[in-house]
Amino acid sequence: DTAVSQTPKYLVTQMGNDKSIKCEQNLGHDTMYWYKQDSKKFLKIMFSYNNKELIINETVPNRFSPKSPDKAHLNLHINSLELGDSAVYFCASSQAGATQYFGPGTRLLVL
Amino acid sequence: AQTVTQSQPEMSVQEAETVTLSCTYDTSESNYYLFWYKQPPSRQMILVIRQEAYKQQNATENRFSVNFQKAAKSFSLKISDSQLGDTAMYFCAFMKRNSGGSNYKLTFGKGTLLTVNP
Repeated sequence: DTAVSQTPKYLVTQMGNDKSIKCEQNLGHDTMYWYKQDSKKFLKIMFSYNNKELIINETVPNRFSPKSPDKAHLNLHINSLELGDSAVYFCASSQAGATQYFGPGTRLLVL
Repeated sequence: AQTVTQSQPEMSVQEAETVTLSCTYDTSESNYYLFWYKQPPSRQMILVIRQEAYKQQNATENRFSVNFQKAAKSFSLKISDSQLGDTAMYFCAFMKRNSGGSNYKLTFGKGTLLTVNP
């Protein structure tokens, strides 16, 4: 069974559209994260949630809005998509400060 | 703020040989974790090895081992008996260890692309 899953795996869309990426973990972890990997493969934290509470928000444009309906899910909604939003978005989870386990990534291409 | 530096953008090694990937970091924290993750062409981020800063003993996982030098802020990864399946991007990462609170985030280096040649 997949520990951390993301849907969709690929997303191609036009500038200005709104899109969502979903993440689910079945590890029973209490903390979930979103990371962005840019075209140069650099990975950077965007958000983290602990027990559905937003803990980290790393200077991400407010077009990005995470939502955690419960401890097992963390979704990412992006409004008014821009070309620069093209990247791979990774969800991860951990039990507090233990090792983070990553989902398979969602490749977003904005045309 | 923490920074992680991987000075080797690309490396290559022959199958069955040993290779060492370098990582240095800068922090004023005394309590933290260090990680190596690999990202093969499949894009999946896979944990290779983890080291707690308070442990003097270097972590090992089968063919993977680290050389952790806390004073020098160095954390290199050694891969022994390299296999074709080791071909991947390798990322060094730092995480501060909080007492209480939940502000856990990984700070990554820029990665080293390792190619294992047959």
